Amino acid sequence: AQSVTQPDIHITVSEGASLELRCNYSYGATPYLFWYVQSPGQGLQLLLKYFSGDTLVQGIKGFEAEFKRSQSSFNLRKPSVHWSDAAEYFCAVGGGYGGSQGNLIFGKGTKLSVKP
Amino acid sequence: ETGVTQSPTHLIKTRGQQVTLRCSSQSGHNTVSWYQQALGQGPQFIFQYYREEENGRGNFPPRFSGLQFPNYSSELNVNALELDDSALYLCASSPRTSGREQFFGPGTRLTVL
Repeated sequence: AQSVTQPDIHITVSEGASLELRCNYSYGATPYLFWYVQSPGQGLQLLLKYFSGDTLVQGIKGFEAEFKRSQSSFNLRKPSVHWSDAAEYFCAVGGGYGGSQGNLIFGKGTKLSVKP
Repeated sequence: ETGVTQSPTHLIKTRGQQVTLRCSSQSGHNTVSWYQQALGQGPQFIFQYYREEENGRGNFPPRFSGLQFPNYSSELNVNALELDDSALYLCASSPRTSGREQFFGPGTRLTVL
């Protein structure tokens, strides 16, 4: 079955520290992978996406993610966290065209808190 | 370029009632998907519309139905509301039916009492 696992429900980091949020997926075909961020009461904003090619992808707000096929992982990283990064982060996988493949499958999210 | 918009922002209904949520897709996008996000959970796929036809459905009962209009806007209808239907309902539009490049609206918060 297709699924996304985000093992960490809640992470707290100090401002200026580095960040890594973990994501593992299970998907039968070549996956399209995404990270979205959601501030309280808001919709989802796309941080970055991986479709093919270079396995290290750069996104907005200084985030990057690395696709590791052998580990079925797509971890999100940021070298120096800012207080404004506090939010909930969702990893998602998508695939094919139309039908049941036309949707995104999301993990349960990781809530990031930033200490001053 | 206008992004995805949804209305209303918030809605309170009582159990057994019916509700209609609306979504306007981003300019140039012909595909609309709807997701339900319960508190503390990730979004779950309800269904997708393309060319005014349902083009895929998640594990939701038939009382969840939708429409897409010629201008690509969409409605989500939920009949016989249950307490567990309380959630944030997200609409996403995309330029094609693939499971990528989906752009989300701000959502409609539905509370069922």
